[in-house]
Amino acid sequence: DARVTQTPRHKVTEMGQEVTMRCQPILGHNTVFWYRQTMMQGLELLAYFRNRAPLDDSGMPKDRFSAEMPDATLATLKIQPSEPRDSAVYFCASGLPRGEQFFGPGTRLTVL
Amino acid sequence: SQQGEEDPQALSIQEGENATMNCSYKTSINNLQWYRQNSGRGLVHLILIRSNEREKHSGRLRVTLDTSKKSSSLLITASRAADTASYFCATAATGFQKLVFGTGTRLLVSP
Repeated sequence: DARVTQTPRHKVTEMGQEVTMRCQPILGHNTVFWYRQTMMQGLELLAYFRNRAPLDDSGMPKDRFSAEMPDATLATLKIQPSEPRDSAVYFCASGLPRGEQFFGPGTRLTVL
Repeated sequence: SQQGEEDPQALSIQEGENATMNCSYKTSINNLQWYRQNSGRGLVHLILIRSNEREKHSGRLRVTLDTSKKSSSLLITASRAADTASYFCATAATGFQKLVFGTGTRLLVSP
């Protein structure tokens, strides 16, 4: 049963600290997405990759967020420095172009 | 920013009843998808309907798409308590691959 995995599941950190979230997409999926979900803004697309190349990161604050795919089995989302307004649930999803997306369980981030 | 607006924001029904949720969007699309999210969990894909399709079925789910009105509806028939979740529509714009999600409908099905 292929699934998207995300680590950590929960992260509590202090303002100014670096946060790294990791995602393992489903093997064979060539598109990977990072989303952020909050009560106020709902589900927002931060960035996405196809064949490990970034296609769109316009939803991401560039000064503090960065997303990479070091290899086909790992996607990372990094926040440095973190701020309280970054508190949210971050989801990774993988899929094929113009098809359904498979979501991971999310990383719940709390920045104090 | 979200492309889709869903209606109603919340829906409360009894088991066995049908639940209908609506989604409106703003721009041309390649396809529209519906997802379910249980509390504290990730989203689960339910059904995908392409812009040249008008209706699609999957088990107890029926989705319609009206591209002239830029709207879609999701019907869940004979609802169960396990259907309690938030339901989101998401659109893939023509020529693009990324999904833009709606605001979601919270469905509560009481036994």
